Amino acid sequence: EVQLVQSGAEVKKPGESLKISCKGSGYSFTNYWIAWVRQMPGKGLEWMGIIYPGDSDTRYSPSFQGQVTFSADKSTTTAYLQWSSLRASDTAMYYCARQDCSSLFCYNPGDYWGQGTLVTVSS
Amino acid sequence: EIVMTQSPATLSVSPGERATLSCRASQSVSSNLAWYQQKPGQAPRLLIYGASTRATAIPARFSGSGSGTEFTLTISSLQSEDFAVYYCQQYNNWPQMFGQGTKVEIK
Repeated sequence: EVQLVQSGAEVKKPGESLKISCKGSGYSFTNYWIAWVRQMPGKGLEWMGIIYPGDSDTRYSPSFQGQVTFSADKSTTTAYLQWSSLRASDTAMYYCARQDCSSLFCYNPGDYWGQGTLVTVSS
Repeated sequence: EIVMTQSPATLSVSPGERATLSCRASQSVSSNLAWYQQKPGQAPRLLIYGASTRATAIPARFSGSGSGTEFTLTISSLQSEDFAVYYCQQYNNWPQMFGQGTKVEIK
């Protein structure tokens, strides 16, 4: 069974750093890309970007470029999303999703999703 | 980046009736268009990909159509579990943009 299991909710202060995780199982982790999606409270879905765990090739949406960093560890089949200095505006639910892509093109959208990680940033 | 526009923002429908949701892309995305359903407190669930192919275990009452810039999601006979927010997403180009969502509510 394909599963993406995300780390638990986080409460942080502005300026703190944070790394959340998304662990894949039930499939070949290096055969698919992992996308990250933000959902701010009461708002819609925003595609942040995507990483290929096979070689850590990464694509960031312009809206998120320089604001976050994606990484992945093949040995633990885990993808990560991190911030070096959080802002209150980073308060949101963050989802990871599996996608079937090449380096140029995605063949399919996110078919399996994690349960989401709620990040709250407040002083 | 491609802008995805969904209409209407809210759709009020009685159980058993048909619901028709629209999604427009600011430029052609070919057939690389997906529809998702999201219920409160849950992750999005893939319904349709390739504009018209139902994902695994999705009931036949959900159907998608369109190509290029105009797309439609039709729910033929709304069941109680179908009241939710629906998003379209293009995956033809980076970044893969979502529409703003259509909330399907009980009339």
